[in-house]
Amino acid sequence: EPEVTQTPSHQVTQMGQEVILRCVPISNHLYFYWYRQILGQKVEFLVSFYNNEISEKSEIFDDQFSVERPDGSNFTLKIRSTKLEDSAMYFCASTWGRSSYEQYFGPGTRLTVT
Amino acid sequence: AQRVTQPEKLLSVFKGAPVELKCNYSYSGSPELFWYVQYSRQRLQLLLRHISRESIKGFTADLNKGETSFHLKKPFAQEEDSAMYYCALSGLGGETSGSRLTFGEGTQLTVNP
Repeated sequence: EPEVTQTPSHQVTQMGQEVILRCVPISNHLYFYWYRQILGQKVEFLVSFYNNEISEKSEIFDDQFSVERPDGSNFTLKIRSTKLEDSAMYFCASTWGRSSYEQYFGPGTRLTVT
Repeated sequence: AQRVTQPEKLLSVFKGAPVELKCNYSYSGSPELFWYVQYSRQRLQLLLRHISRESIKGFTADLNKGETSFHLKKPFAQEEDSAMYYCALSGLGGETSGSRLTFGEGTQLTVNP
């Protein structure tokens, strides 16, 4: 069965550095998402992406964040200048349709900002 | 605004006992409700969704619009049910928008032998 993959599984970076988290969604899916989960807290929506543009973003997704689907397969989340509070598990998800369709999640990337 | 509340962070039952994981939601329109599960060291995966009205691994959940609840139930818990369970809500976005999932805090279910 196809799966969403994410790399790296764990990323350690220093405050102020740029990081890029990578995801390969399931190939025939059309909607792509990033979520994050700070340790001990709930999973939070960051951004959704459809037809090569952002379709919705949360208040967390400020100017420090950007997403891209550069080559039709990868879906990346970039954080320009990381802060300590960006330390979290970041999940990518994809789905074929909206609303009631199942979102398929990747295994996550644990980002640690020191 | 969308909101999901799971009042129990931890729930512990014995094997064979009934289990109910509570979920309440707040949403102004007609929501889509889901239960996602995360087994130890595995990814988040869909357990069931209200629109399907199905039973998966013996679990059922009924959407109660009057009480704005979507509680997850299983009559006889098994040890392999031990996992983190998340209730999630999705609203119907516009034609080109995705449907963000709003998650509850999660309930860690432990089924003891």
